[in-house]
Amino acid sequence: DIQLTQSPSSMSASLGDRVSLTCQSSQGIGNYLSWYQHKPGKPPKPMIYYATNLADGVPSRFSGSRSGSDYSLTISSLESEDTAIYYCLQYDEYPFTFGSGTKLEIK
Amino acid sequence: QVQLKESGPGLVQPSQTLSLTCTVSGFSLTSYDVHWVRQPPGKGLEWMGGIWGDGSTAYNSALKSRLSISRDTSKSQVFLKMNSLQTEDTAIYFCTCTNSGYFDYWGQGVMVTVSS
Repeated sequence: DIQLTQSPSSMSASLGDRVSLTCQSSQGIGNYLSWYQHKPGKPPKPMIYYATNLADGVPSRFSGSRSGSDYSLTISSLESEDTAIYYCLQYDEYPFTFGSGTKLEIK
Repeated sequence: QVQLKESGPGLVQPSQTLSLTCTVSGFSLTSYDVHWVRQPPGKGLEWMGGIWGDGSTAYNSALKSRLSISRDTSKSQVFLKMNSLQTEDTAIYFCTCTNSGYFDYWGQGVMVTVSS
């Protein structure tokens, strides 16, 4: 099975900061990687798909990028509503797999 | 609009079988894939398995021996059945759908507790 390693596992940053979360794949998955924002009591919300595409309704301060087997989710200017756990998901091959998540908090 | 809603028992006894239903609207099950994802308390998301528009299925390696996903297209329902439940199967269970690969629509989830 493909393993996705997310780093850091948790972080805190200040409002307005630029924040980058990373997801590293154990095998090649092309661009078949998506990012989800998950808040307590709600279903996960898709943020990025196909590594770099913004999902519908997602603010433009979010972006996705890829460098080899490393994928990043970047928030250009952190807002309070961005507090959540962020997960990456590979959907290149079965079984699909999620990363272990990055918990993002506001300082 | 696309909607998904999970239903099922909130409490299941250990060693018993879990049966969940995902009722969808706004799309056809022959055009969208539907997947199940769960989250145990305090833990991360886990992909369980899915059923594709053509009816084919795929499962998480760790669950495939006790998991089955099926559907009734006429009722717009997808079913999850998992046997030999243990306390570690206590989780929120979500159904989600896609026609492009990534999970763009989700149900609200249903909490399932495994306990005697």
